[in-house]
Amino acid sequence: QQKVQQSPESLIVPEGGMASLNCTFSDRNSQYFWWYRQHSGEGPKALMSIFSNGDKKEGRFTAHLNKASLYVSLHIKDSQPSDSALYFCAPSYQGGRALIFGTGTTVSVSP
Amino acid sequence: GGIITQTPKFLIGQEGQKLTLKCQQNFNHDTMYWYRQDSGKGLRLIYYSITENDLQKGDLSEGYDASREKKSSFSLTVTSAQKNEMAVFLCASSTGTGGNTLYFGEGSRLIVV
Repeated sequence: QQKVQQSPESLIVPEGGMASLNCTFSDRNSQYFWWYRQHSGEGPKALMSIFSNGDKKEGRFTAHLNKASLYVSLHIKDSQPSDSALYFCAPSYQGGRALIFGTGTTVSVSP
Repeated sequence: GGIITQTPKFLIGQEGQKLTLKCQQNFNHDTMYWYRQDSGKGLRLIYYSITENDLQKGDLSEGYDASREKKSSFSLTVTSAQKNEMAVFLCASSTGTGGNTLYFGEGSRLIVV
């Protein structure tokens, strides 16, 4: 049974600053690691995914994966007010059951 | 592109009442899901379905029934609504499970009076 924990629970970042979100998971069979973002009043949307150990950069977002440590993180550079949202990590594996989401981190970007 | 449509947006019912939420997708996706989100917190899996007429229980299935009568639709029934299960219910779809992207609807809020 996959357990997914995220920290911190909430985070306040100044506009233009860096936000760092952490996620630990329990299933060593996990292969794919998703980050989803949910703005208030909307459903979650896929932000990015990472499959290999190391860093993956997409614009202002960088995901880092360390499978041996059962750890994945997301860093948001040059944070914008539109980045204010609830962020979820979700590990999975091919042929696995439905996606299990983490506990979530609320990011608030202050102008 | 496609869209996930959840109805109704707000569902108000009395304690003990049987209530049904509906979800339609036009992505032609095989897999559909129902998640529950309490007070802006994490998503918990209730049911999912990998094809028409298939049902798989999630960790939170007790107290709920689901139905996938056709590929494009997935409904969720709260068998006896309780005040402690007021939440937002989110429907999603994907081409498969595992490494595939989930596409979510905007959610249906359940209010129990």
